[in-house]
Amino acid sequence: DAGITQSPRHKVTETGTPVTLRCHQTENHRYMYWYRQDPGHGLRLIHYSYGVKDTDKGEVSDGYSVSRSKTEDFLLTLESATSSQTSVYFCAISVGSVEQYFGPGTRLTVT
Amino acid sequence: EDQVTQSPEALRLQEGESSSLNCSYTVSGLRGLFWYRQDPGKGPEFLFTLYSAGEEKEKERLKATLTKKESFLHITAPKPEDSATYLCAVRLILTGGGNKLTFGTGTQLKVEL
Repeated sequence: DAGITQSPRHKVTETGTPVTLRCHQTENHRYMYWYRQDPGHGLRLIHYSYGVKDTDKGEVSDGYSVSRSKTEDFLLTLESATSSQTSVYFCAISVGSVEQYFGPGTRLTVT
Repeated sequence: EDQVTQSPEALRLQEGESSSLNCSYTVSGLRGLFWYRQDPGKGPEFLFTLYSAGEEKEKERLKATLTKKESFLHITAPKPEDSATYLCAVRLILTGGGNKLTFGTGTQLKVEL
């Protein structure tokens, strides 16, 4: 599992509330990624990080922000959750900047 | 824009009945094609990376092949434990040196006794 944990694993929240998802890795990898997975769509990149405090947007970044203050932690924040952000969120790390290994996922429901 | 299309969407096989899954792609310069396996409620599990046409990789009952326009995942004599969704992705190099993977929507494989 490449030493990746995600928390929480499940969350239900109300529209308009802020939500933060955490990705933690134990192996000091430089590159970390947040994806979302929805039926009928492949996994889509939200944001990624290429080092502490170095982050950039992916293809579906609107409504999301990220932070990386330590190598091991990459946080994804939904500033004001909407029903369209109901999804399964996966964190990934790159090994040698090529293959990506994924965490177990967080299932988020916005009511 | 990179595009990845997988077919079929779903496939039911009898145990021992070999078959192939298809992944066709449109990219401007392939930098790697990836296969993953995903079990329900879990994250994708890395299987293979292929870089150039003609390349093949094998793992147990799975063999991945690559041409200039598509990749195949061949499953030989499948068992029920091979049931999963198989995902294909192509790689784009990002600013800062990381990678974006563009995924297909997957093939859901069910192997029955």
